[in-house]
Formats: sequence, C-alpha cells, structure tokens
Amino acid sequence: AQSVTQPDIHITVSEGASLELRCNYSYGATPYLFWYVQSPGQGLQLLLKYFSGDTLVQGIKGFEAEFKRSQSSFNLRKPSVHWSDAAEYFCAVGAGNFNKFYFGSGTKLNVKP
Amino acid sequence: NAGVMQNPRHLVRRRGQEARLRCSPMKGHSHVYWYRQLPEEGLKFMVYLQKENIIDESGMPKERFSAEFPKEGPSILRIQQVVRGDSAAYFCASSPSDKGYTFGSGTRLTVV
Repeated sequence: AQSVTQPDIHITVSEGASLELRCNYSYGATPYLFWYVQSPGQGLQLLLKYFSGDTLVQGIKGFEAEFKRSQSSFNLRKPSVHWSDAAEYFCAVGAGNFNKFYFGSGTKLNVKP
Repeated sequence: NAGVMQNPRHLVRRRGQEARLRCSPMKGHSHVYWYRQLPEEGLKFMVYLQKENIIDESGMPKERFSAEFPKEGPSILRIQQVVRGDSAAYFCASSPSDKGYTFGSGTRLTVV
C-alpha cells in the first residue's frame, strides 16, 4: 500500500542554520514526489516536485530535495533558514497519473531568531 | 488568471445540518480533486472528478458525503447531517490534465 512517512512532527532550527526535513515513502511503482508548504490557515503551496531525471531537484524559496531510490526517501533541504520559512511542510507521493496524492502527516518548522 | 477558488473560507454548522462546499477550478482545468485535513493530520484524498463524472471516490465516506462537478458551475462537496467528526479543513485542487495540482485555500468546517 502506498504511504508517506514524515518522522519528525516538530523541528526547531535557528535562523540562518541549515534544515533537512525527512520523508520516506512506500510505493510500488516509480514515484512522483512532491513537497508542499502550508502556512497557518492557508492552502498548500508547491515547493518542488520530482518526476524523473536528475535526483536533486531545485524548488522555490531556496529549497531543494534529493530522491534516493535505495532509501525510499525524498528529503527536503535548505542551506540557510529564514524566519519566514516557519510553517508546516508536507511530503506527498502521486499515484498513477497524479489522480490521487498520498500525504505525510506533516512537519511543523519553528524558526528561532 | 485566478487560482482555485473555494468558498466559503469558514463554515459553521450545527449537528444534523447540511454543509455545501464550493470549488471553482482554475480556468481551463477540467480535473477537480477534494481532500480533507483533520486537525494535526495530513491531507487525505476523498474524490476525483472530471466534468459531470466521478472518476475515483475511493476516499469518500460511504454515507452522507457526495460530490459533483456539473457541466456549468463549480464543483460541490456536500455533507448531509453533519457530525462533530466532520470538522476539518476541506481542500480542493484542480489540474488541466494528469500532471500537477493547484490547491485552493480550503474551507474550514466547524460543526457545533
């Protein structure tokens, strides 16, 4: 069965520090992987996506993610976090022709000044 | 080009009432998806519709929930006889084909 696991529920980092949010997936076929960000009371904004090709993908706001098939992971990274990055981050895998997404339960990021 | 428009943004219903959530997809998008986000959880797929057709409703509760996407007008998610457990954020997404979603800002339903 398809599933997405985000093992960290809350993460706190200092402004300017590096960030890595973990995502592991379970999917029988070639996964299409996504990271979304959600600010409180808002909808979801797409940060980046992986369909195929280069396993390191660049997204908006300075984020990147690396697909590692051997580890079934798609971790999100940012070299230097800004206070405005505080939000909740969701990893998702698209099934089939993206007709259905499976989301992780999210990681809430807190940024210390 | 406006994004995916959902209304209302907030909806309060008493137990037993009906809730109607509307979603206008982006212009040119013919695929609509509904997701539910319970407190402290990720989004869970509910239903996928194309114009006048339900393609996949595997995530819809068997009773009280229905969805439509008519030829004209917005997609509607309807919840009859709401219960407290229906309180959640309901998100709609649309796409032009089979790649790439755009999400709306959601409707936050509170059942009192």
